[in-house]
Amino acid sequence: GIQVEQSPPDLILQEGANSTLRCNFSDSVNNLQWFHQNPWGQLINLFYIPSGTKQNGRLSATTVATERYSLLYISSSQTTDSGVYFCAVVASGTYKYIFGTGTRLKVLA
Amino acid sequence: DADVTQTPRNRITKTGKRIMLECSQTKGHDRMYWYRQDPGLGLRLIYYSFDVKDINKGEISDGYSVSRQAQAKFSLSLESAIPNQTALYFCATSDSGANTGELFFGEGSRLTVL
Repeated sequence: GIQVEQSPPDLILQEGANSTLRCNFSDSVNNLQWFHQNPWGQLINLFYIPSGTKQNGRLSATTVATERYSLLYISSSQTTDSGVYFCAVVASGTYKYIFGTGTRLKVLA
Repeated sequence: DADVTQTPRNRITKTGKRIMLECSQTKGHDRMYWYRQDPGLGLRLIYYSFDVKDINKGEISDGYSVSRQAQAKFSLSLESAIPNQTALYFCATSDSGANTGELFFGEGSRLTVL
């Protein structure tokens, strides 16, 4: 089945710094989402982005489907950005979301 | 109120007990899923249902069963709980129709099996 790899696995930033999180996938995909899991365990939808670029405030995401990767950009990070960021994909010809193992982000005040 | 509601939110039980986790949704979506998350890991799919009459096993279905009582309700059962089923369980929904297929999660059910 499709493999989803996220990097880096862990990231520590000072408040105000920028960061880029990466999601690589091993096969073509129909759907791709980015989620933020906050310290209380809730999964929050960030982007639905099977291709192209989207922006929402300080966050933006780009998926290059032909090269099988997606990037999540966080600018001017805040302590509330801390948590785990997951990428999830649906491989072409399937109907199930498969998750990467996440990037754990800690933003220091 | 949340669009995807899970009950209970927290449960502690003993080995061998039967446990049911319930999920209901008001989003009108036809597809529902149960995922499991272990500490430090991503989410793994247990079961999924694309409509009331359609139930499918996911990656890790052994030891679990499900019931789709209605389009809006999807329950996960552990017939005889064991300690390695201690985990955070998530229900999710998506729409196969005109919408994008975006996945939406409930708030999670934290299960501890002693």
